[in-house]
Amino acid sequence: DAKTTQPNSMESNEEEPVHLPCNHSTISGTDYIHWYRQLPSQGPEYVIHGLTSNVNNRMASLAIAEDRKSSTLILHRATLRDAAVYYCILRAVNSGNTPLVFGKGTRLSVIA
Amino acid sequence: DTAVSQTPKYLVTQMGNDKSIKCEQNLGHDTMYWYKQDSKKFLKIMFSYNNKELIINETVPNRFSPKSPDKAHLNLHINSLELGDSAVYFCASSQDRWTNNEQYFGPGTRLTVT
Repeated sequence: DAKTTQPNSMESNEEEPVHLPCNHSTISGTDYIHWYRQLPSQGPEYVIHGLTSNVNNRMASLAIAEDRKSSTLILHRATLRDAAVYYCILRAVNSGNTPLVFGKGTRLSVIA
Repeated sequence: DTAVSQTPKYLVTQMGNDKSIKCEQNLGHDTMYWYKQDSKKFLKIMFSYNNKELIINETVPNRFSPKSPDKAHLNLHINSLELGDSAVYFCASSQDRWTNNEQYFGPGTRLTVT
């Protein structure tokens, strides 16, 4: 799996939008961009994934740069419950080799 | 209903002992995994099973032996426990072994070896 680079930590005020960046300059054409998060003392949970187009779901939005070398996870209104470590992970299409390769992630703190 | 469950949640044991951690998923998924999260919080894959068949075995000491009695269960047995085995172990499952299926993680088992 190709490598990703994320800031170690970010801080946000409650009820404000949060933009979590991820750089993946060596991404290949068949790599999907996945985001997971890990709340304190819990297992990771899936957030969103995409290939080329921006994606929205009930949890977040994923904005993918046109050259696909970077992406941004957007939480539209941060809540205290969103405080977690966010992981940006690249996964090759149809590789049949499915474990997630976690980096260090970004630790998001949300201030009330 | 809990999708992926693990037992026990906490396990404290002495060096040299043998212990097992159990995992069950009620999602009807074909593929299950074990991940280890060490004290520095790095999460790494250990094993992956698809329909009871081992498909991934990372460089894990052979003291660790996974067992899948059926596709809903993946247990992890550890022989001769060492201090370095202290970590949080997460079980996960996905619909099948292909890439875009999200993985569902259990709550973790915190293993402490003294």
